[in-house]
Amino acid sequence: EAQVTQNPRYLITVTGKKLTVTCSQNMNHEYMSWYRQDPGLGLRQIYYSMNVEVTDKGDVPEGYKVSRKEKRNFPLILESPSPNQTSLYFCASSLRASGRNEQFFGPGTRLTVL
Amino acid sequence: KQEVTQIPAALSVPEGENLVLNCSFTDSAIYNLQWFRQDPGKGLTSLLLIQSSQREQTSGRLNASLDKSSGRSTLYIAASQPGDSATYLCAVSSWGADGLTFGKGTHLIIQP
Repeated sequence: EAQVTQNPRYLITVTGKKLTVTCSQNMNHEYMSWYRQDPGLGLRQIYYSMNVEVTDKGDVPEGYKVSRKEKRNFPLILESPSPNQTSLYFCASSLRASGRNEQFFGPGTRLTVL
Repeated sequence: KQEVTQIPAALSVPEGENLVLNCSFTDSAIYNLQWFRQDPGKGLTSLLLIQSSQREQTSGRLNASLDKSSGRSTLYIAASQPGDSATYLCAVSSWGADGLTFGKGTHLIIQP
């Protein structure tokens, strides 16, 4: 089944404790990205990757890192999480970086930083 | 910068009614517009994708239209059912921008 998977689905952590949220897609997509969803603010893009070893900042990149060493994986790294990073996170992928392609979303990761 | 607005923010209707959700965007230079459904605490499910050259797309009881020049899209749901209750999100892919710009959604409740 073609899908985008994320792990973990739920995570409660404390301020400053490094964490990684994994994202993987099995559709051989070139383009992958991360969004966060907050009440009243909607979904906002954090980082994106047009292909292996190519990443760039989205609208709200502060406090996050990403890497794209393999085509299928695009982990989101929080080196020193803070309470304002409590949010619902979504990974997405599409066939190409071109905006013409449909984007597919993972199931989401709900992160709480205490 | 592209901005996407969805009206109404919330809607509650009796089962069986036909309804229309609205989406507007400020910059008509778009590649496509996508409608998503989000159930509480869940991910986004893509419903319909309309390319900028298209006027509408249909899937079952759903019909989405696009008027790029006026910056508007509508999602029409026919014969609504309680299972249609969810938040509906509109998102555009714009020229010169990476990723999607989302509206804040319409929270739809279909009363049995």
